[in-house]
Amino acid sequence: AQSVSQHNHHVILSEAASLELGCNYSYGGTVNLFWYVQYPGQHLQLLLKYFSGDPLVKGIKGFEAEFIKSKFSFNLRKPSVQWSDTAEYFCAVKRGPNTDKLIFGTGTRLQVFP
Amino acid sequence: EPEVTQTPSHQVTQMGQEVILRCVPISNHLYFYWYRQILGQKVEFLVSFYNNEISEKSEIFDDQFSVERPDGSNFTLKIRSTKLEDSAMYFCASSGTGATQYFGPGTRLLVL
Repeated sequence: AQSVSQHNHHVILSEAASLELGCNYSYGGTVNLFWYVQYPGQHLQLLLKYFSGDPLVKGIKGFEAEFIKSKFSFNLRKPSVQWSDTAEYFCAVKRGPNTDKLIFGTGTRLQVFP
Repeated sequence: EPEVTQTPSHQVTQMGQEVILRCVPISNHLYFYWYRQILGQKVEFLVSFYNNEISEKSEIFDDQFSVERPDGSNFTLKIRSTKLEDSAMYFCASSGTGATQYFGPGTRLLVL
């Protein structure tokens, strides 16, 4: 079955540390890829997305993600995290143009300590 | 910035009761969705809705679920006879002509 895997369930970092959160998916066709963030007590917000073109995409708040087709991966990165980045991060995949549904990963809880 | 809104934020109901969860999508959006997240599990797709009909639904979306756009602004999810396992956070989302879905804050449903 198609799935989205986020192998890091809980990440704890100090401020200014670099961040990389993994996301892998199991689907061989065309995909649209998304990272959403959920800050404590708030709703899911779009961080960034990849549809086509440059595989390195930049999002809000200094986040970026790289689509590596050969590895079926779409890892999220930030060179220097802040305390305000404490949140849960969700990777999601849309399997091509003939479906509406997003398939989500289990999420990664990030805690950043000052 | 326009946002998707949902009411109520929390709902407690007895098993077997009907519940209606309400959503107001972003005003110029045409596609509407419901997802749910059972505590500790993934966010799961339930249904998508376009042009006043269901365009896609998951195996979770059985006969006890229904969706409706009763007017030009609201989008509702009805659960006819709630079960304990329906306890979850329910998220509404909407999108325009592109594929990006924008989510509401969710309704936490607790079935006792």
